[in-house]
Amino acid sequence: AQRVTQPEKLLSVFKGAPVELKCNYSYSGSPELFWYVQYSRQRLQLLLRHISRESIKGFTADLNKGETSFHLKKPFAQEEDSAMYYCALRTGGATNKLIFGTGTLLAVQP
Amino acid sequence: DTEVTQTPKHLVMGMTNKKSLKCEQHMGHRAMYWYKQKAKKPPELMFVYSYEKLSINESVPSRFSPECPNSSLLNLHLHALQPEDSALYLCASSQELNRRFGEQYFGPGTRLTVT
Repeated sequence: AQRVTQPEKLLSVFKGAPVELKCNYSYSGSPELFWYVQYSRQRLQLLLRHISRESIKGFTADLNKGETSFHLKKPFAQEEDSAMYYCALRTGGATNKLIFGTGTLLAVQP
Repeated sequence: DTEVTQTPKHLVMGMTNKKSLKCEQHMGHRAMYWYKQKAKKPPELMFVYSYEKLSINESVPSRFSPECPNSSLLNLHLHALQPEDSALYLCASSQELNRRFGEQYFGPGTRLTVT
């Protein structure tokens, strides 16, 4: 079964603290994974994709096929990072279907 | 233009009304999507169009009727909706359905309330 699991509904940290948003997936094929972010009253936007292995706004994520994980990390959280974060799995092929996790609300306290 | 636009931003309709949601993109994308997002939940795929043809219907009730009149436009016609259909309706587009070019760009959504 194709599934994305984000175990934390809410993650609250203080400004300057490290952040790790957890994402685990279940997929029989070769996975393609993304992190999307939704700031308050803004559209859903792509933050990271595992293919590009880039760092955006200080965030990184590494695909670990052995642990079937794609955790999102940032060494020092900023207040403007407060948002809803969704991990998503793309099934690819002729469907390009995105399967989203349930999301983690990150709250960065001053 | 690198955005997906959606109109209207908000819509309130009765259960006997007929209304339409509109989505537009001018990025030359050939795949377009409708998602439904309930409060505090992730988006759920409803329909996918590829080259103006319906590619996927995720078993959506017939009271939702999609239409893709051209490569830049995607409509969602609504008729005889139920209160539980109240949600944020998101449109997205991508270059192709092909895996390599499938990154999806989302619109801001239409917040629909059915009374």
